[in-house]
Amino acid sequence: DVKVTQSSRYLVKRTGEKVFLECVQDMDHENMFWYRQDPGLGLRLIYFSYDVKMKEKGDIPEGYSVSREKKERFSLILESASTNQTSMYLCASSIQGYSNQPQHFGDGTRLSIL
Amino acid sequence: AQSVAQPEDQVNVAEGNPLTVKCTYSVSGNPYLFWYVQYPNRGLQFLLKYITGDNLVKGSYGFEAEFNKSQTSFHLKKPSALVSDSALYFCAVRDTGYNDMRFGAGTRLTVKP
Repeated sequence: DVKVTQSSRYLVKRTGEKVFLECVQDMDHENMFWYRQDPGLGLRLIYFSYDVKMKEKGDIPEGYSVSREKKERFSLILESASTNQTSMYLCASSIQGYSNQPQHFGDGTRLSIL
Repeated sequence: AQSVAQPEDQVNVAEGNPLTVKCTYSVSGNPYLFWYVQYPNRGLQFLLKYITGDNLVKGSYGFEAEFNKSQTSFHLKKPSALVSDSALYFCAVRDTGYNDMRFGAGTRLTVKP
Protein backbone atom coordinates (compact mmCIF):
# COMPACT_ATOMS: atom_id res chain seq x y z
CA ASP A 1 0.00 0.00 0.00
CA VAL A 2 1.07 3.54 -0.72
CA LYS A 3 2.03 5.46 2.36
CA VAL A 4 2.04 9.22 2.47
CA THR A 5 3.35 10.57 5.74
CA GLN A 6 2.95 14.11 6.96
CA SER A 7 5.41 14.99 9.68
CA SER A 8 2.97 16.70 12.06
CA ARG A 9 -0.69 16.02 12.81
CA TYR A 10 -1.17 19.25 14.75
CA LEU A 11 0.89 22.41 14.67
CA VAL A 12 0.50 25.77 16.40
CA LYS A 13 2.55 28.74 15.20
CA ARG A 14 2.54 32.49 15.60
CA THR A 15 1.80 35.19 13.06
CA GLY A 16 4.88 36.10 11.06
CA GLU A 17 6.71 32.83 11.65
CA LYS A 18 8.13 30.80 8.78
CA VAL A 19 6.40 27.42 8.83
CA PHE A 20 7.49 24.19 7.19
CA LEU A 21 5.13 21.29 6.50
CA GLU A 22 6.79 18.10 5.39
CA CYS A 23 5.43 15.21 3.35
CA VAL A 24 7.09 11.94 2.39
CA GLN A 25 5.77 9.17 0.13
CA ASP A 26 7.19 5.69 -0.26
CA MET A 27 5.89 4.58 -3.66
CA ASP A 28 8.27 6.40 -6.00
CA HIS A 29 5.43 8.57 -7.32
CA GLU A 30 6.40 11.40 -9.62
CA ASN A 31 3.48 13.69 -8.73
CA MET A 32 3.01 15.30 -5.35
CA PHE A 33 0.40 17.81 -4.26
CA TRP A 34 -0.41 20.18 -1.43
CA TYR A 35 -4.02 21.10 -0.67
CA ARG A 36 -5.72 23.04 2.02
CA GLN A 37 -9.11 21.96 3.26
CA ASP A 38 -11.62 24.40 4.70
CA PRO A 39 -15.27 23.72 5.64
CA GLY A 40 -17.61 24.33 2.73
CA LEU A 41 -14.75 24.88 0.30
CA GLY A 42 -13.52 21.34 -0.13
CA LEU A 43 -9.92 20.85 -1.17
CA ARG A 44 -8.08 23.66 -2.91
CA LEU A 45 -4.80 23.01 -4.66
CA ILE A 46 -1.90 25.14 -3.47
CA TYR A 47 1.03 23.72 -5.44
CA PHE A 48 1.95 20.52 -7.16
CA SER A 49 5.16 19.00 -8.43
CA TYR A 50 5.61 16.48 -11.22
CA ASP A 51 9.34 15.95 -10.79
CA VAL A 52 12.26 16.82 -8.55
CA LYS A 53 12.88 20.57 -8.49
CA MET A 54 9.76 21.15 -10.60
CA LYS A 55 6.67 22.91 -9.30
CA GLU A 56 3.43 24.32 -10.61
CA LYS A 57 1.11 26.80 -8.97
CA GLY A 58 -2.33 25.61 -8.08
CA ASP A 59 -5.39 27.69 -7.42
CA ILE A 60 -4.24 29.45 -4.23
CA PRO A 61 -0.41 29.75 -4.19
CA GLU A 62 -0.26 33.20 -2.60
CA GLY A 63 1.61 33.19 0.69
CA TYR A 64 3.06 29.72 0.09
CA SER A 65 6.10 28.21 -1.54
CA VAL A 66 7.26 24.62 -2.01
CA SER A 67 10.45 22.63 -2.23
CA ARG A 68 11.12 19.27 -3.82
CA GLU A 69 14.79 18.34 -3.58
CA LYS A 70 14.17 14.59 -3.51
CA LYS A 71 11.53 12.56 -5.28
CA GLU A 72 9.96 11.24 -2.11
CA ARG A 73 9.73 14.52 -0.22
CA PHE A 74 7.60 17.59 -0.88
CA SER A 75 7.66 20.51 1.54
CA LEU A 76 5.17 23.33 1.88
CA ILE A 77 6.49 26.61 3.25
CA LEU A 78 4.49 29.45 4.71
CA GLU A 79 6.90 32.34 4.29
CA SER A 80 5.27 34.58 6.92
CA ALA A 81 2.34 32.86 8.55
CA SER A 82 -0.94 34.74 8.88
CA THR A 83 -4.13 33.86 10.74
CA ASN A 84 -6.01 33.24 7.47
CA GLN A 85 -3.67 30.33 6.84
CA THR A 86 -5.16 28.43 9.75
CA SER A 87 -6.45 25.30 8.06
CA MET A 88 -6.09 21.58 7.46
CA TYR A 89 -3.28 20.85 5.01
CA LEU A 90 -3.27 17.65 3.01
CA CYS A 91 -0.44 16.16 0.99
CA ALA A 92 -1.05 13.65 -1.81
CA SER A 93 0.93 11.71 -4.39
CA SER A 94 0.15 9.93 -7.64
CA ILE A 95 1.79 8.20 -10.57
CA GLN A 96 2.67 10.55 -13.40
CA GLY A 97 1.28 9.97 -16.85
CA TYR A 98 -1.61 7.83 -15.66
CA SER A 99 -4.53 10.19 -15.34
CA ASN A 100 -6.81 7.32 -14.38
CA GLN A 101 -4.94 6.60 -11.17
CA PRO A 102 -6.13 8.04 -7.85
CA GLN A 103 -4.17 10.33 -5.61
CA HIS A 104 -3.08 8.94 -2.26
CA PHE A 105 -3.37 11.18 0.76
CA GLY A 106 -1.61 11.64 4.05
CA ASP A 107 -3.57 12.11 7.27
CA GLY A 108 -3.22 15.87 7.18
CA THR A 109 -1.68 18.59 9.34
CA ARG A 110 -4.06 20.78 11.27
CA LEU A 111 -2.27 24.12 11.45
CA SER A 112 -3.32 26.93 13.76
CA ILE A 113 -1.77 30.38 13.39
CA LEU A 114 -2.20 32.55 16.48
CA ALA B 1 -11.21 23.51 -17.52
CA GLN B 2 -12.39 20.90 -15.08
CA SER B 3 -14.81 21.32 -12.21
CA VAL B 4 -17.07 19.29 -9.98
CA ALA B 5 -20.13 20.12 -7.87
CA GLN B 6 -21.71 18.35 -4.94
CA PRO B 7 -25.13 19.95 -4.55
CA GLU B 8 -25.83 18.68 -1.04
CA ASP B 9 -23.83 19.76 2.01
CA GLN B 10 -25.50 17.13 4.15
CA VAL B 11 -27.28 13.84 3.56
CA ASN B 12 -29.11 12.01 6.34
CA VAL B 13 -30.32 8.44 6.03
CA ALA B 14 -31.51 5.74 8.39
CA GLU B 15 -29.41 2.64 8.84
CA GLY B 16 -30.44 -0.09 6.41
CA ASN B 17 -31.86 2.37 3.87
CA PRO B 18 -30.24 3.03 0.51
CA LEU B 19 -28.07 6.12 0.22
CA THR B 20 -27.15 8.41 -2.65
CA VAL B 21 -24.56 11.19 -2.63
CA LYS B 22 -24.73 13.36 -5.71
CA CYS B 23 -21.96 14.68 -7.94
CA THR B 24 -21.93 16.52 -11.26
CA TYR B 25 -18.87 17.44 -13.28
CA SER B 26 -17.62 19.55 -16.17
CA VAL B 27 -14.62 18.76 -18.35
CA SER B 28 -13.37 19.56 -21.82
CA GLY B 29 -12.30 16.04 -22.71
CA ASN B 30 -13.12 12.65 -21.27
CA PRO B 31 -13.54 12.55 -17.50
CA TYR B 32 -11.84 10.35 -14.99
CA LEU B 33 -14.07 10.42 -11.92
CA PHE B 34 -13.28 9.47 -8.34
CA TRP B 35 -14.96 9.20 -4.98
CA TYR B 36 -13.10 9.57 -1.71
CA VAL B 37 -14.18 9.28 1.92
CA GLN B 38 -12.75 11.17 4.88
CA TYR B 39 -13.17 10.10 8.49
CA PRO B 40 -12.56 12.61 11.31
CA ASN B 41 -8.96 13.82 11.57
CA ARG B 42 -7.84 11.61 8.72
CA GLY B 43 -6.84 12.13 5.11
CA LEU B 44 -8.95 11.13 2.13
CA GLN B 45 -9.32 7.46 1.30
CA PHE B 46 -9.97 6.33 -2.25
CA LEU B 47 -13.31 4.51 -2.71
CA LEU B 48 -13.78 3.98 -6.44
CA LYS B 49 -13.19 5.42 -9.89
CA TYR B 50 -14.72 5.57 -13.33
CA ILE B 51 -12.36 5.45 -16.29
CA THR B 52 -14.29 3.94 -19.17
CA GLY B 53 -16.61 1.07 -19.94
CA ASP B 54 -19.42 -0.05 -17.64
CA ASN B 55 -21.35 2.89 -16.27
CA LEU B 56 -21.80 1.22 -12.89
CA VAL B 57 -18.57 0.88 -10.98
CA LYS B 58 -18.11 -0.93 -7.70
CA GLY B 59 -15.70 0.05 -4.98
CA SER B 60 -14.70 -0.46 -1.39
CA TYR B 61 -17.07 -1.08 1.56
CA GLY B 62 -20.04 -1.96 -0.68
CA PHE B 63 -20.18 1.42 -2.41
CA GLU B 64 -20.91 1.82 -6.10
CA ALA B 65 -21.31 4.77 -8.41
CA GLU B 66 -23.22 5.37 -11.60
CA PHE B 67 -21.71 7.37 -14.44
CA ASN B 68 -24.22 9.23 -16.61
CA LYS B 69 -22.62 11.03 -19.52
CA SER B 70 -25.73 12.85 -20.72
CA GLN B 71 -26.37 14.27 -17.25
CA THR B 72 -22.64 14.70 -16.50
CA SER B 73 -23.20 13.01 -13.17
CA PHE B 74 -21.41 10.44 -11.05
CA HIS B 75 -23.58 9.68 -8.03
CA LEU B 76 -22.34 7.51 -5.19
CA LYS B 77 -24.73 4.82 -3.96
CA LYS B 78 -25.00 2.06 -1.42
CA PRO B 79 -27.98 -0.31 -1.16
CA SER B 80 -28.00 -0.50 2.64
CA ALA B 81 -26.34 2.19 4.77
CA LEU B 82 -24.38 1.48 7.94
CA VAL B 83 -23.81 3.82 10.87
CA SER B 84 -20.10 3.41 10.20
CA ASP B 85 -20.58 4.96 6.74
CA SER B 86 -21.05 8.34 8.43
CA ALA B 87 -18.23 10.51 7.09
CA LEU B 88 -17.37 13.27 4.64
CA TYR B 89 -17.48 12.25 0.97
CA PHE B 90 -15.67 13.98 -1.86
CA CYS B 91 -16.18 13.64 -5.58
CA ALA B 92 -13.23 14.48 -7.83
CA VAL B 93 -12.64 14.80 -11.57
CA ARG B 94 -9.55 14.73 -13.71
CA ASP B 95 -9.68 15.64 -17.38
CA THR B 96 -7.56 13.53 -19.73
CA GLY B 97 -4.03 14.85 -19.98
CA TYR B 98 -4.12 16.65 -16.64
CA ASN B 99 -2.04 15.69 -13.63
CA ASP B 100 -4.15 17.57 -11.11
CA MET B 101 -7.67 16.91 -9.93
CA ARG B 102 -10.62 19.06 -8.97
CA PHE B 103 -12.56 18.21 -5.84
CA GLY B 104 -16.09 19.02 -4.83
CA ALA B 105 -16.85 20.83 -1.59
CA GLY B 106 -17.80 17.57 0.10
CA THR B 107 -21.03 16.03 1.40
CA ARG B 108 -21.40 15.03 5.02
CA LEU B 109 -23.25 11.74 5.28
CA THR B 110 -24.93 10.89 8.56
CA VAL B 111 -26.44 7.45 9.03
CA LYS B 112 -28.71 7.20 12.05
CA PRO B 113 -29.43 3.94 13.88
